Amino acid sequence: DVKVTQSSRYLVKRTGEKVFLECVQDMDHENMFWYRQDPGLGLRLIYFSYDVKMKEKGDIPEGYSVSREKKERFSLILESASTNQTSMYLCASSFNDRKNSPLHFGNGTRLTVT
Amino acid sequence: AQSVTQPDIHITVSEGASLELRCNYSYGATPYLFWYVQSPGQGLQLLLKYFSGDTLVQGIKGFEAEFKRSQSSFNLRKPSVHWSDAAEYFCAVGAWASGTYKYIFGTGTRLKVLA
Repeated sequence: DVKVTQSSRYLVKRTGEKVFLECVQDMDHENMFWYRQDPGLGLRLIYFSYDVKMKEKGDIPEGYSVSREKKERFSLILESASTNQTSMYLCASSFNDRKNSPLHFGNGTRLTVT
Repeated sequence: AQSVTQPDIHITVSEGASLELRCNYSYGATPYLFWYVQSPGQGLQLLLKYFSGDTLVQGIKGFEAEFKRSQSSFNLRKPSVHWSDAAEYFCAVGAWASGTYKYIFGTGTRLKVLA
């Protein structure tokens, strides 16, 4: 089975801190994604990557950046955390060569910014 | 623009009753369609997917979904709900948007199961 692992289940950070959320997948997927999930808003795409060192903005990239130095790892960075970034963050991965390839999700990181 | 609508935010059913969760999409071409389930505190798990062929697709945990092109719908069904099915359900479409391939999610339907 595909395994997508997010390094933390819960994080509490202070306003202004730099925050790193890590995600690793073990199925050699080309595509990796970061979503944010908020009640009533569903999943919103923050950033995605189709290859190593490649990144593309999603629908809500403001306040975030990403890094993909290795194929299996995709990091989400909050440069200066703010309270409106309190949310559930979901990492996902998929194959690139099949458009019916589903997303495989990690268990999520619930981030609280105080 | 591509979009996915799940008109029911909450649904409550009794254990053993049948279930139908609605999903409508907006996309110009034939979409790739998915249903996911999210248990509390967990990530999303794929239930089933459709991309061509038979319009009735079977998934895990006894779920099925039917693609109806004329109605732009992909409704999820289960004949007899179990208490463990209580979760949030997301419909998604895989589609080309602005030159890139994206997965677009609905806002979810939260299912409550009464004993």
